[in-house]
Amino acid sequence: RKEVEQDPGPFNVPEGATVAFNCTYSNSASQSFFWYRQDCRKEPKLLMSVYSSGNEDGRFTAQLNRASQYISLLIRDSKLSDSATYLCVVNYESNFGNEKLTFGTGTRLTIIP
Amino acid sequence: ETGVTQSPTHLIKTRGQQVTLRCSSQSGHNTVSWYQQALGQGPQFIFQYYREEENGRGNFPPRFSGLQFPNYSSELNVNALELDDSALYLCASSLIGANTEAFFGQGTRLTVV
Repeated sequence: RKEVEQDPGPFNVPEGATVAFNCTYSNSASQSFFWYRQDCRKEPKLLMSVYSSGNEDGRFTAQLNRASQYISLLIRDSKLSDSATYLCVVNYESNFGNEKLTFGTGTRLTIIP
Repeated sequence: ETGVTQSPTHLIKTRGQQVTLRCSSQSGHNTVSWYQQALGQGPQFIFQYYREEENGRGNFPPRFSGLQFPNYSSELNVNALELDDSALYLCASSLIGANTEAFFGQGTRLTVV
């Protein structure tokens, strides 16, 4: 079983729609959680950290459920520029700077005009 | 654009050869982590270097080795290349103890033929 599991997609979604991604992780000792975005043939970039209390950044909302070992990302009012691969990431270290990140396979999202 | 630079950007090697990839970390960062991203997969953690020593290693064989230099730049060396080593190799620099994210370089795309 993979440590971080995501539906690889692809998700093809019309512009303006709401799309949700989910992922599960197997190691209950995981300390910190993230969503990264990766554009085609580019490096991953941090989209947002994920907390149990839930956090929102504009059109993006992330949620962590430690009991179920489940992480979600919601994108509202999707834009063409949201087309990318979204990577679910966990880290066994609790502090920034000491990341030894475990990535899911990524979910590919295409926003259709 | 991050301050993390990798060289070369692309490389073709023959099976059995050795390769050295280089990473210059962002100014002020003291830690470099290396990841391997095969096509269609998420990045996998290879190892991390802090204060010129290995500070954690993923599930990679000993023919994957590294160095960190006093200026915090780093090298990844792979001996006895195999076809399955073909991948995008990413380095990420960070500052242990600081509440800031790791930044990835643009990667080196290695093809083994």
